[in-house]
Amino acid sequence: RKEVEQDPGPFNVPEGATVAFNCTYSNSASQSFFWYRQDCRKEPKLLMSVYSSGNEDGRFTAQLNRASQYISLLIRDSKLSDSATYLCVVKNYGQNFVFGPGTRLSVLP
Amino acid sequence: EPEVTQTPSHQVTQMGQEVILRCVPISNHLYFYWYRQILGQKVEFLVSFYNNEISEKSEIFDDQFSVERPDGSNFTLKIRSTKLEDSAMYFCASSPTGGSQETQYFGPGTRLLVL
Repeated sequence: RKEVEQDPGPFNVPEGATVAFNCTYSNSASQSFFWYRQDCRKEPKLLMSVYSSGNEDGRFTAQLNRASQYISLLIRDSKLSDSATYLCVVKNYGQNFVFGPGTRLSVLP
Repeated sequence: EPEVTQTPSHQVTQMGQEVILRCVPISNHLYFYWYRQILGQKVEFLVSFYNNEISEKSEIFDDQFSVERPDGSNFTLKIRSTKLEDSAMYFCASSPTGGSQETQYFGPGTRLLVL
């Protein structure tokens, strides 16, 4: 089983739509969780950390379910500029980040 | 806002040649990392570096790879004898203290093409 799994998409949604991405991870001892976004041929950029209680940052809401080893990202009121690949990232014991394959989002006018 | 910088942005080399990829981490950060991303694939961890030594490395980081902090600002990745399959985007990252909840800040990457 892969360490971090995501639906690769693409998700094609109209502007203003709400879209949700899911991610599962295999290591029950994973310590911390993040969503990064990656634009084509660019570096990953932090979107938000994911906390056990869930957290919100503007139009973005992240949830963590440790029992199910599941992380989600909800984007409300999608903008054209939200088009990117969304990377689920897990940090186990140690220093390295484990990246999921990413979910591609296209927001259409 | 402080950024991780990397040079060169693109590098083309012949198979068997040595390449050195350079990074300048954010100045007060203590942990440094190299990742790679083969075109169309996920980002993969190579190595982490702290206090002038490797703290962790992946299976990808074999004897062909080495890292160094030659001075107070640069952090380099050397590939001794490049192979075709080393063609990828190489990202450097840094983090302040390596804490468990801490994020990592990525540089813009070096695109390496091995011919």
